Amino acid sequence: GAVVSQHPSRVICKSGTSVKIECRSLDFQATTMFWYRQFPKQSLMLMATSNEGSKATYEQGVEKDKFLINHASLTLSTLTVTSAHPEDSSFYICSARSGSQTEAFFGQGTRLTVV
Amino acid sequence: GDSVTQMEGPVTLSEEAFLTINCTYTATGYPSLFWYVQYPGEGLQLLLKATKADDKGSNKGFEATYRKETTSFHLEKGSVQVSDSAVYFCALSRNNAGNMLTFGGGTRLMVKP
Repeated sequence: GAVVSQHPSRVICKSGTSVKIECRSLDFQATTMFWYRQFPKQSLMLMATSNEGSKATYEQGVEKDKFLINHASLTLSTLTVTSAHPEDSSFYICSARSGSQTEAFFGQGTRLTVV
Repeated sequence: GDSVTQMEGPVTLSEEAFLTINCTYTATGYPSLFWYVQYPGEGLQLLLKATKADDKGSNKGFEATYRKETTSFHLEKGSVQVSDSAVYFCALSRNNAGNMLTFGGGTRLMVKP
């Protein structure tokens, strides 16, 4: 299958700082990317959907000013957690697809810890 | 809204044991159902899927049948191997391709030699 690379795999940051997570499709053009979040012992929850060149669509309850998503190219989407707080500590994972009816492939995920 | 519930882990089995990981869902209409597997340090990989009632998805010796009457999609394997140790996620989607997924909490499987 296609490869999606997510970076970094782990990051620790101080409260109040911002953290950027990258999601890259290595061998295909990703017209759409999805960002998920998983709290400990809970399900992966869809945060937002981003289409290349347009604004992301956020799920209900997700603060778009807190979680900035950029999908400026067909191979890269970034999620920036702004002014991070300990409650933002979580596992973030992206997926990417090349068409509306094609399988979405997942990155390895990023474990964010805010101290 | 849609939701997926799967058994909590970890599930610890000996090699060649029979595996069942239960998954039930709540959704209106006819969603597509999926099992994903995440090996240590890797991203989620699609293991199998079923897009309509009574369909059976299968891959790598794993099977799951879409049961609308019980709203279930239990994962089974007749003889597990150490290499099957991973976290397994049950999920549903309104899209046959598995986009915009609703996931269960994941079940960690540990297989001992």
